[in-house]
Amino acid sequence: QKEVEQNSGPLSVPEGAIASLNCTYSDRGSQSFFWYRQYSGKSPELIMFIYSNGDKEDGRFTAQLNKASQYVSLLIRDSQPSDSATYLCADMEYGNKLVFGAGTILRVKS
Amino acid sequence: DADVTQTPRNRITKTGKRIMLECSQTKGHDRMYWYRQDPGLGLQLIYYSFDVKDINKGEISDGYSVSRQAQAKFSLSLESAIPNQTALYFCATFDGNTGELFFGEGSRLTVL
Repeated sequence: QKEVEQNSGPLSVPEGAIASLNCTYSDRGSQSFFWYRQYSGKSPELIMFIYSNGDKEDGRFTAQLNKASQYVSLLIRDSQPSDSATYLCADMEYGNKLVFGAGTILRVKS
Repeated sequence: DADVTQTPRNRITKTGKRIMLECSQTKGHDRMYWYRQDPGLGLQLIYYSFDVKDINKGEISDGYSVSRQAQAKFSLSLESAIPNQTALYFCATFDGNTGELFFGEGSRLTVL
């Protein structure tokens, strides 16, 4: 059974700063990782996915994958109050099943 | 209208009652999922279905059953609800081209 670990937070950053969210996973053979954002009382929505070692950038978001360390991170540049949410890291199992971490609460202070 | 629709959105029931949560989708995806979310525990997979004839248990299927009535419909049932099934339940569909899960708006269930 795959496991995904995240620090529950809350992580507090000032507006305009870089927020760094981290996730570790148990299965060394895992290939695909996803970051979902969930606003309070709402459903999760996909921000980014990453399959390869290294960095993947999309606007203010950068996902980083280090397979040797079994570590995935999400960087949010120029953080805005609207980025305040819970961020869920997920690992994909056989059968296209996502195994989610418990999520990290991010608070961006204006 | 939402692409993935869940009903009811909120339900309060009593221990021992049978409850059905319904999910319908207009995205045309074959794969559908039911997840449960508890505070501090993230999303846990209850059941998933690859198509109408292919239904599989997830990590926490005990106490739940499902029915895939059509490609677009996937229902979750609690045969005899108990208080520790109080949670937020999400239905989701999977886009095989992008690897993305599309979630419904959630069904909040309270079992007294």
